[in-house]
Amino acid sequence: EVQLVESGGGLVQPGGSLRLSCAASGFTFSSYAMSWVRQAPGKGLEWVSAISGSGGSTYYADSVKGRFTISRDNSKNTLYLQMNSLRAEDTAVYYCAKNTGPVTDYYMDVWGKGTTVTVSS
Amino acid sequence: QSALTQPASVSGSPGQSITISCSGTSSDVGGYKYVSWYQQHPGKAPKLMIYDVLNRPSGVSNRFSGSKSGNTASLTISGLQAEDEADYYCSSYTSSSTWVFGGGTKLTVL
Repeated sequence: EVQLVESGGGLVQPGGSLRLSCAASGFTFSSYAMSWVRQAPGKGLEWVSAISGSGGSTYYADSVKGRFTISRDNSKNTLYLQMNSLRAEDTAVYYCAKNTGPVTDYYMDVWGKGTTVTVSS
Repeated sequence: QSALTQPASVSGSPGQSITISCSGTSSDVGGYKYVSWYQQHPGKAPKLMIYDVLNRPSGVSNRFSGSKSGNTASLTISGLQAEDEADYYCSSYTSSSTWVFGGGTKLTVL
């Protein structure tokens, strides 16, 4: 069974940093691109970032470009999101999602349960 | 990266059909077959319902169908059931090599 489990969320002050992790199991991790999608309280889904299966290509939403970095360790079947210079508007549930192919233009089919990030003083 | 446009809410009675629209541009919905739809119940993760405009993943009821015309995609749910009540989001790949979601539509089954 394909499973994605996010961790690393929590309360952080504005300007602070946090690193999210997503542990994957049940599929050949390196064969699939992966994405991060967030949802602010009471709001809709917002795509944040994606990375190819090899890790060689990365893409970001304009709202996080220059502040967030997506990466992966295929030997550990783990996806990461390093979040720096956090702002109140980054407060959200962050979901990890598996794309259906090795590159990021494949749609997202399996999602984790999410981890909550709260940016507040 | 503007969000795709969806109606905020739709409603229907059990057994009826409803359609949710998703409007974009030629740089996203109109330019690619990579339109997907997700269902989200409160407090739960999104669930894929339609991919590549009109395809259903294994296990999704055939009461769910998708289509596209120009820059607008649509999700139709026929034979509405109480468990269909949820939020629905469309998503499209874009010419910037990014993904964009719609603002979401709350479906109420009366």
